[in-house]
Amino acid sequence: DQQVKQNSPSLSVQEGRISILNCDYTNSMFDYFLWYKKYPAEGPTFLISISSIKDKNEDGRFTVFLNKSAKHLSLHIVPSQPGDSAVYFCAASGPDMRFGAGTRLTVKP
Amino acid sequence: NAGVMQNPRHLVRRRGQEARLRCSPMKGHSHVYWYRQLPEEGLKFMVYLQKENIIDESGMPKERFSAEFPKEGPSILRIQQVVRGDSAAYFCASSPVSGSTDTQYFGPGTRLTVL
Repeated sequence: DQQVKQNSPSLSVQEGRISILNCDYTNSMFDYFLWYKKYPAEGPTFLISISSIKDKNEDGRFTVFLNKSAKHLSLHIVPSQPGDSAVYFCAASGPDMRFGAGTRLTVKP
Repeated sequence: NAGVMQNPRHLVRRRGQEARLRCSPMKGHSHVYWYRQLPEEGLKFMVYLQKENIIDESGMPKERFSAEFPKEGPSILRIQQVVRGDSAAYFCASSPVSGSTDTQYFGPGTRLTVL
Protein backbone atom coordinates (compact mmCIF):
# COMPACT_ATOMS: atom_id res chain seq x y z
CA ASP A 1 0.00 0.00 0.00
CA GLN A 2 1.18 3.47 -0.77
CA GLN A 3 1.45 5.36 2.47
CA VAL A 4 3.19 8.31 0.86
CA LYS A 5 1.89 9.73 -2.39
CA GLN A 6 3.20 12.30 -4.79
CA ASN A 7 0.40 12.72 -7.27
CA SER A 8 2.23 14.87 -9.77
CA PRO A 9 4.81 12.86 -11.70
CA SER A 10 6.24 15.99 -13.27
CA LEU A 11 6.35 19.76 -12.90
CA SER A 12 7.78 22.41 -15.18
CA VAL A 13 8.46 25.98 -14.06
CA GLN A 14 10.27 29.00 -15.40
CA GLU A 15 13.57 30.07 -13.88
CA GLY A 16 13.03 32.59 -11.11
CA ARG A 17 9.49 31.45 -10.36
CA ILE A 18 8.31 29.38 -7.42
CA SER A 19 8.23 25.57 -7.59
CA ILE A 20 5.72 23.83 -5.34
CA LEU A 21 5.96 20.08 -4.90
CA ASN A 22 3.23 18.29 -3.02
CA CYS A 23 3.08 15.13 -0.96
CA ASP A 24 0.26 13.35 0.91
CA TYR A 25 0.51 10.59 3.48
CA THR A 26 -1.93 8.26 5.11
CA ASN A 27 -0.16 6.91 8.20
CA SER A 28 -0.75 9.12 11.23
CA MET A 29 2.22 7.45 12.97
CA PHE A 30 4.66 9.32 10.74
CA ASP A 31 6.37 12.03 12.79
CA TYR A 32 9.25 13.15 10.63
CA PHE A 33 9.21 14.15 7.01
CA LEU A 34 12.03 14.62 4.55
CA TRP A 35 12.63 15.68 1.00
CA TYR A 36 15.32 14.07 -1.11
CA LYS A 37 16.62 15.26 -4.44
CA LYS A 38 17.88 12.85 -7.06
CA TYR A 39 19.89 13.47 -10.19
CA PRO A 40 20.12 10.78 -12.89
CA ALA A 41 22.62 8.00 -12.13
CA GLU A 42 23.09 9.24 -8.57
CA GLY A 43 21.64 8.25 -5.22
CA PRO A 44 19.08 10.50 -3.54
CA THR A 45 20.55 13.32 -1.44
CA PHE A 46 18.91 14.79 1.61
CA LEU A 47 17.46 18.25 1.05
CA ILE A 48 15.34 19.38 3.98
CA SER A 49 13.24 17.88 6.75
CA ILE A 50 10.52 18.80 9.20
CA SER A 51 9.36 17.34 12.48
CA SER A 52 5.67 16.81 13.11
CA ILE A 53 5.79 19.36 15.94
CA LYS A 54 6.46 22.11 13.41
CA ASP A 55 4.48 23.40 10.49
CA LYS A 56 7.27 25.11 8.60
CA ASN A 57 11.00 24.75 8.11
CA GLU A 58 13.09 27.01 5.94
CA ASP A 59 16.59 26.58 4.56
CA GLY A 60 17.67 29.17 2.03
CA ARG A 61 15.56 28.86 -1.08
CA PHE A 62 13.82 25.75 0.23
CA THR A 63 10.84 25.74 2.58
CA VAL A 64 8.82 22.74 3.68
CA PHE A 65 5.30 23.16 5.00
CA LEU A 66 3.46 20.52 6.99
CA ASN A 67 -0.30 20.38 7.46
CA LYS A 68 -0.88 17.54 9.91
CA SER A 69 -4.65 17.70 9.87
CA ALA A 70 -4.65 17.29 6.10
CA LYS A 71 -1.71 14.86 6.16
CA HIS A 72 -0.08 16.98 3.54
CA LEU A 73 3.33 18.51 3.07
CA SER A 74 4.81 20.64 0.37
CA LEU A 75 8.22 21.81 -0.73
CA HIS A 76 8.60 25.35 -2.01
CA ILE A 77 11.62 26.38 -4.00
CA VAL A 78 11.97 30.07 -4.64
CA PRO A 79 13.46 31.33 -6.82
CA SER A 80 13.77 28.19 -8.93
CA GLN A 81 17.04 27.65 -10.79
CA PRO A 82 17.91 25.35 -13.71
CA GLY A 83 20.19 23.37 -11.39
CA ASP A 84 17.13 22.46 -9.33
CA SER A 85 15.96 20.24 -12.19
CA ALA A 86 15.87 16.76 -10.67
CA VAL A 87 13.48 14.20 -9.25
CA TYR A 88 12.24 15.08 -5.77
CA PHE A 89 11.17 12.34 -3.38
CA CYS A 90 9.03 12.97 -0.36
CA ALA A 91 9.71 10.62 2.57
CA ALA A 92 7.93 10.02 5.85
CA SER A 93 9.39 8.34 8.89
CA GLY A 94 7.88 6.85 12.03
CA PRO A 95 9.75 4.62 12.62
CA ASP A 96 10.26 3.14 9.15
CA MET A 97 10.85 5.42 6.23
CA ARG A 98 8.56 5.33 3.23
CA PHE A 99 8.99 7.23 0.00
CA GLY A 100 6.67 8.72 -2.54
CA ALA A 101 7.04 7.92 -6.23
CA GLY A 102 8.82 11.19 -6.95
CA THR A 103 8.11 14.33 -8.94
CA ARG A 104 10.36 15.29 -11.81
CA LEU A 105 10.99 19.05 -11.68
CA THR A 106 12.20 20.84 -14.78
CA VAL A 107 13.25 24.46 -14.42
CA LYS A 108 13.45 26.19 -17.78
CA PRO A 109 15.93 29.02 -18.32
CA ASN B 1 34.80 10.95 5.23
CA ALA B 2 33.73 8.83 2.30
CA GLY B 3 30.06 8.53 1.64
CA VAL B 4 28.07 5.36 1.22
CA MET B 5 29.75 3.12 -1.32
CA GLN B 6 27.99 0.65 -3.53
CA ASN B 7 29.47 -1.77 -6.01
CA PRO B 8 29.22 -2.66 -8.68
CA ARG B 9 27.54 0.39 -10.17
CA HIS B 10 26.22 -1.66 -13.05
CA LEU B 11 25.56 -5.39 -13.07
CA VAL B 12 24.33 -7.49 -15.95
CA ARG B 13 23.05 -11.00 -15.34
CA ARG B 14 21.26 -13.61 -17.39
CA ARG B 15 18.06 -15.14 -16.14
CA GLY B 16 18.77 -17.79 -13.53
CA GLN B 17 22.10 -16.37 -12.39
CA GLU B 18 22.85 -14.86 -9.02
CA ALA B 19 23.35 -11.17 -8.33
CA ARG B 20 25.35 -9.85 -5.38
CA LEU B 21 25.17 -6.18 -4.53
CA ARG B 22 27.50 -4.68 -1.97
CA CYS B 23 27.08 -1.67 0.26
CA SER B 24 29.65 -0.08 2.55
CA PRO B 25 27.98 2.39 4.89
CA MET B 26 29.48 5.68 5.93
CA LYS B 27 32.12 5.44 8.62
CA GLY B 28 30.50 5.21 12.01
CA HIS B 29 27.12 4.16 10.63
CA SER B 30 25.78 0.87 11.88
CA HIS B 31 22.35 0.91 10.24
CA VAL B 32 21.85 -0.06 6.62
CA TYR B 33 18.73 0.09 4.48
CA TRP B 34 18.16 -1.32 1.03
CA TYR B 35 15.70 0.17 -1.45
CA ARG B 36 14.67 -0.76 -4.94
CA GLN B 37 13.60 1.65 -7.63
CA LEU B 38 11.76 0.06 -10.49
CA PRO B 39 11.42 1.96 -13.77
CA GLU B 40 8.89 4.77 -13.45
CA GLU B 41 8.35 4.03 -9.76
CA GLY B 42 9.53 5.52 -6.50
CA LEU B 43 11.86 4.04 -3.95
CA LYS B 44 10.53 0.91 -2.29
CA PHE B 45 11.85 -0.17 1.08
CA MET B 46 13.24 -3.68 1.12
CA VAL B 47 15.16 -4.38 4.31
CA TYR B 48 16.71 -2.71 7.34
CA LEU B 49 19.77 -4.22 8.98
CA GLN B 50 22.08 -3.54 11.84
CA LYS B 51 25.37 -5.31 12.29
CA GLU B 52 24.67 -9.07 12.22
CA ASN B 53 20.92 -8.52 12.57
CA ILE B 54 17.98 -8.15 10.24
CA ILE B 55 15.64 -5.69 11.92
CA ASP B 56 12.89 -5.35 9.32
CA GLU B 57 12.60 -7.31 6.10
CA SER B 58 8.96 -6.56 5.43
CA GLY B 59 9.75 -5.19 1.98
CA MET B 60 11.78 -8.14 0.80
CA PRO B 61 10.24 -10.60 -1.65
CA LYS B 62 9.73 -13.89 0.15
CA GLU B 63 11.79 -15.91 -2.28
CA ARG B 64 15.19 -15.54 -3.93
CA PHE B 65 16.14 -12.36 -2.02
CA SER B 66 18.33 -12.24 1.06
CA ALA B 67 20.43 -9.64 2.83
CA GLU B 68 23.14 -9.63 5.42
CA PHE B 69 25.31 -7.15 7.25
CA PRO B 70 28.16 -9.06 8.84
CA LYS B 71 30.27 -7.87 11.72
CA GLU B 72 33.09 -7.17 9.29
CA GLY B 73 32.68 -6.10 5.71
CA PRO B 74 29.93 -4.61 3.61
CA SER B 75 26.25 -5.35 3.59
CA ILE B 76 25.27 -7.75 0.82
CA LEU B 77 21.97 -7.96 -1.02
CA ARG B 78 21.77 -11.28 -2.78
CA ILE B 79 19.30 -12.20 -5.48
CA GLN B 80 19.24 -15.82 -6.56
CA GLN B 81 17.93 -17.07 -9.90
CA VAL B 82 17.30 -13.58 -11.21
CA VAL B 83 14.36 -12.87 -13.48
CA ARG B 84 13.76 -9.96 -15.85
CA GLY B 85 11.47 -8.31 -13.32
CA ASP B 86 14.44 -7.92 -10.96
CA SER B 87 15.93 -5.32 -13.32
CA ALA B 88 16.00 -2.12 -11.29
CA ALA B 89 18.22 0.32 -9.47
CA TYR B 90 19.07 -0.85 -5.97
CA PHE B 91 20.02 1.82 -3.46
CA CYS B 92 21.63 1.37 -0.11
CA ALA B 93 21.40 3.98 2.64
CA SER B 94 23.05 4.21 6.02
CA SER B 95 22.47 6.09 9.23
CA PRO B 96 24.39 6.35 12.50
CA VAL B 97 21.46 5.58 14.73
CA SER B 98 17.96 4.39 14.27
CA GLY B 99 15.10 6.66 14.98
CA SER B 100 12.36 8.53 13.30
CA THR B 101 14.39 11.73 13.23
CA ASP B 102 17.40 10.25 11.55
CA THR B 103 18.47 11.15 8.05
CA GLN B 104 19.57 8.39 5.75
CA TYR B 105 22.51 8.87 3.44
CA PHE B 106 22.29 7.12 0.12
CA GLY B 107 24.86 5.44 -2.04
CA PRO B 108 25.00 5.93 -5.81
CA GLY B 109 23.05 2.74 -6.46
CA THR B 110 23.61 -0.44 -8.42
CA ARG B 111 21.75 -0.78 -11.68
CA LEU B 112 20.89 -4.40 -12.28
CA THR B 113 19.96 -5.51 -15.76
CA VAL B 114 18.67 -9.02 -16.29
CA LEU B 115 18.89 -10.25 -19.85
